[in-house]
Amino acid sequence: EVQLVQSGAEVKKPGESLQISCKSSGYSFANYWIGWVRQLPGKGLEWMGIISLADSDTRYSPSFQGQVTISADRSNGTAYLQWGSLKASDTAMYYCARPYAVGTPGDAFYFWGQGTMVTVSS
Amino acid sequence: EIVIMTQSPATLSVSPGERATLSCRASQSLSTNLAWYQQKPGQAPRLLIYFASFRATGVPPRFSGSGSGTDFTLTIDSLQSEDFAVYYCQQYNGWPPYTFGQGTKLEIK
Repeated sequence: EVQLVQSGAEVKKPGESLQISCKSSGYSFANYWIGWVRQLPGKGLEWMGIISLADSDTRYSPSFQGQVTISADRSNGTAYLQWGSLKASDTAMYYCARPYAVGTPGDAFYFWGQGTMVTVSS
Repeated sequence: EIVIMTQSPATLSVSPGERATLSCRASQSLSTNLAWYQQKPGQAPRLLIYFASFRATGVPPRFSGSGSGTDFTLTIDSLQSEDFAVYYCQQYNGWPPYTFGQGTKLEIK
């Protein structure tokens, strides 16, 4: 069974750094991509970016380029989302998700993590 | 170039047992590289439809998708209580970035 298990909720102060994770299991993850999706409180879904677990090729939405860093550890099938300096406006639920198809980012997100709530408040 | 996805209406009020029709329009042609998701409060999104018209595993046949190019439709026949939720379309044409629509809230009339 394919599973994406995300790290737990975080409460941080503005200016702090943070890395959240998304660990894959139940499939041979080396040739898949994993994406990140933001959902601001009470708002819709925003596609942030996606990374290849094969070679760490990463594509960002222009809205998030330079604001976050997506990385991955192919050896354990884990993707990461990182902030260098959090802002209150980063308060949101963050989901990781995996396309169904192997070897391409260009597919629907079939599998989803449970979400990680990040709260940034002074 | 970023593809803009526009969903309509923002809110749709329908009675249980009736049909709901949700629309999604893209700013450029997607062929059929479009997905529909359902999200209920406190839950992660769930994939319903991929490649515009193919139901994901376990999705009831009352859900159907249609369209190609720039105009797409999600139809839900004989609405059940569990179908009242927010629905998003997403394009995944070509290379990233991919984009979601702003969502349609389907509420009980």
